[in-house]
Amino acid sequence: TQLLEQSPQFLSIQEGENLTVYCNSSSVFSSLQWYRQEPGEGPVLLVTVVTGGEVKKLKRLTFQFGDARKDSSLHITAAQPGDTGLYLCAGRSSGGSYIPTFGRGTSLIVHP
Amino acid sequence: DAGITQSPRHKVTETGTPVTLRCHQTENHRYMYWYRQDPGHGLRLIHYSYGVKDTDKGEVSDGYSVSRSKTEDFLLTLESATSSQTSVYFCAISVGGVNTEAFFGQGTRLTVV
Repeated sequence: TQLLEQSPQFLSIQEGENLTVYCNSSSVFSSLQWYRQEPGEGPVLLVTVVTGGEVKKLKRLTFQFGDARKDSSLHITAAQPGDTGLYLCAGRSSGGSYIPTFGRGTSLIVHP
Repeated sequence: DAGITQSPRHKVTETGTPVTLRCHQTENHRYMYWYRQDPGHGLRLIHYSYGVKDTDKGEVSDGYSVSRSKTEDFLLTLESATSSQTSVYFCAISVGGVNTEAFFGQGTRLTVV
């Protein structure tokens, strides 16, 4: 059973389009991270959200943590080819071990 | 960038041979992790360490062992490599505790033939 479910699994869009990817769980998370992984590289931390309802922005990327801290979303405005990569969410469930749990990721391709 | 170095970056080995992958950090972080990444499975935790000589198993630990004799080094050993262990292996580090932000190495692509 995957603790963190990400959707969609794959996304192929044209440059300039907007998109949203989702990270859902039945468990409450004390914190949640988003990472981006480019081909041949390790995942790179983008952001951490901690408070229910929290919204963080990183240039054209907007991250939101659900009010109940069970879900999160990543919205990209006006996607660019440089946004291509695998987007992973991860976190520690409340009361869980101090080991991050990862979703399986959303693979995004942005075509010029 | 977090100071994490994995070696080797690529390796081809034969079935049945032992293989050791090395992870070196310069951040003095307490926690170190080994993950494998395979299509359709995402990142799966093999073993982790929460201090020198303190290690524990992850969800896919069979066939793997680890050692951490110094804060900065975490070794992953495949005792007798099998084709099912062909994968990309990532080392990660974190401060630990409630902060589970992880910083990853560049990965080792291992092929077992």
